[in-house]
Amino acid sequence: DIQMTQSPSSLSASVGDRVTITCRASQSISSYLNWYQQKPGKAPKLLIYAASSLQSGVPSTFSGSGSGTTFTLTITSLQPEDFATYYCQQTYSTPVYTFGQGTKLDIK
Amino acid sequence: QVQLVQSGAEVKKPGASVKVSCKASGYSFPSYYVHWVRQAPGQGLEWMGIIDPTGGSTTYAQNFQGRLTMTRDTSTSTVYMELSSLRSEDTAVYYCARYWGSWSAFDVWGQGTVVTVSS
Repeated sequence: DIQMTQSPSSLSASVGDRVTITCRASQSISSYLNWYQQKPGKAPKLLIYAASSLQSGVPSTFSGSGSGTTFTLTITSLQPEDFATYYCQQTYSTPVYTFGQGTKLDIK
Repeated sequence: QVQLVQSGAEVKKPGASVKVSCKASGYSFPSYYVHWVRQAPGQGLEWMGIIDPTGGSTTYAQNFQGRLTMTRDTSTSTVYMELSSLRSEDTAVYYCARYWGSWSAFDVWGQGTVVTVSS
């Protein structure tokens, strides 16, 4: 199975900050990489698909980049509602679609 | 609107089985595969398996082979996830998610079903 590793596992930041989360795959996954946001007690929400495409309704302060084995999720100008846990997911190895372990973003 | 609505919380004893439903509405049920994902307390997301609503074919994660069964009822646009021989480690929130095939992503999620396994 393809392993997905996120870094950091947790991150403290302030409103207005720019943050970057990295996700690395154990083998090349082309651009088959998605990012999800999850808030406590809620289901995950799709933010970015195909590594860099913004899901409808998601603010443009979110962006994704990368291909192959290394990917990043960037949030510019953090808002209070952005404090959550973020997961990457590979959808290259059909249909076993593994997730990273998550990055918890909290308020400094 | 497009949504997946799951059945309510369950409490089971070790060794029992649980069956969770996921009812789709607002879209063409046969056109989208459905995945199941679980999340143990304080842990990350674990992919469990996938079902094709049209033909009913399934693929399960290796960790659940022999204990997991996914089925569907096309007349009610509902998919089911049944996990048997439950143990305490199966205590988790179970989610169904619609697979957006064009872009290989899970674009709509159910609200989650809490399954507690306790003696």
